[in-house]
Amino acid sequence: SSELTQDPAVSVALGQTVRITCQGDSLRSYYASWYQQKPGQAPVLVIYGKNNRPSGIPDRFSGSSSGNTASLTITGAQAEDEADYYCNSRDSSGNHFWVFGGGTKLTVL
Amino acid sequence: EVQLVESGGGLVQPGGSLRLSCAASGFTFSSYEMNWVRQAPGKGLEWVSYISSSGSTIYYADSVKGRFTISRDNAKNSLYLQMNSLRAEDTAVYYCARVNNILTGPYYYYYMDVWGKGTTVTVSS
Repeated sequence: SSELTQDPAVSVALGQTVRITCQGDSLRSYYASWYQQKPGQAPVLVIYGKNNRPSGIPDRFSGSSSGNTASLTITGAQAEDEADYYCNSRDSSGNHFWVFGGGTKLTVL
Repeated sequence: EVQLVESGGGLVQPGGSLRLSCAASGFTFSSYEMNWVRQAPGKGLEWVSYISSSGSTIYYADSVKGRFTISRDNAKNSLYLQMNSLRAEDTAVYYCARVNNILTGPYYYYYMDVWGKGTTVTVSS
């Protein structure tokens, strides 16, 4: 089955731009969706499809994709963006599974 | 308000069984595919199982295949996960999540746009 690989931890200075990446073979066939999870809370969808934000998600969140890599960019990171971020896609190997990345812990300094 | 509320978690001994429920409200439940996703303590998210809107198509992660059964009752706006032969490694918070999709070019792309708050399952003697 496919795997999605994320950096375990990333930090960004308040107000700066940070990119969180996700790599995997399935991303050549499927766009990733991205989820934000704060401690003790359920995941929240922040990006889906080519680069779509659900209502209520600030426009500082954006998504992109190239080859086997998907990226979540936060432009002007805020203190409240400190959280775990997970990418997810369908498995492209034909088994119809859903695959999550291992998650990236974002620290806003 | 669109909402998913899980219930049925608890403490169970290894080898035991548990049935989780997910009550949906605020949307037409019968029109949506659904997933169960779990998160072990201090770990990442793990997809567990998928069911189509009608219940006719079902998939399981290898880690639970043969032990867990997903089902739904569209008349009751409810999703279920029957968990048998539970193991310590099944200890986790279990979330139900609504599957949605977007058409981009010629393809549909899928994502989970609504999540419940989760129910905790602890497998321990």
